[in-house]
Amino acid sequence: SQQGEEDPQALSIQEGENATMNCSYKTSINNLQWYRQNSGRGLVHLILIRSNEREKHSGRLRVTLDTSKKSSSLLITASRAADTASYFCVTPSGGYNKLIFGAGTRLAVHP
Amino acid sequence: DTGVSQDPRHKITKRGQNVTFRCDPISEHNRLYWYRQTLGQGPEFLTYFQNEAQLEKSRLLSDRFSAERPKGSFSTLEIQRTEQGDSAMYLCASSFGSNTEAFFGQGTRLTVV
Repeated sequence: SQQGEEDPQALSIQEGENATMNCSYKTSINNLQWYRQNSGRGLVHLILIRSNEREKHSGRLRVTLDTSKKSSSLLITASRAADTASYFCVTPSGGYNKLIFGAGTRLAVHP
Repeated sequence: DTGVSQDPRHKITKRGQNVTFRCDPISEHNRLYWYRQTLGQGPEFLTYFQNEAQLEKSRLLSDRFSAERPKGSFSTLEIQRTEQGDSAMYLCASSFGSNTEAFFGQGTRLTVV
């Protein structure tokens, strides 16, 4: 069962612009993770934000979490062509907190 | 330790044959996940282990699929009587605990002809 859903499904921007991706989920969570997947490096963990955190930064990445709205956003600032990838919002689900992926946002950054 | 390792990287098999994939997680990681991914889709959860115990198996998974993790180390995923619809990338991931980042292997790409 899909827990998180990303929006938009696809995003196309120019290098240097910012990219914002959103994720909505259905049930209460204790953390939310973002992953990136491209053809060269496979699936890579980007950032984990816990339910008691509202914002987290990692380099050019900024993640927010609003537990009242059951939503999260991933902002990539000053995008680069190398940021071209699919981005997934991942939430724990079920009694043992298995990780469930959304369908992802496909980001294309054009030079 | 170089991360999660999956073998083989590619497998082509004829319909009806059995295939087995192996995953070696990062040592000391007690959680191990299996996912299946098709083109344009997110990884679909198949099953996961806490040490040697299989915690859950997706209801979408038919009885042709089985996974094991003997001794809580490496894991195998077997698909019996393969069908063309089984063609996909099979991903393995491991983590230490349930609320930490998961590390993924490069996957095994299965093609059923």
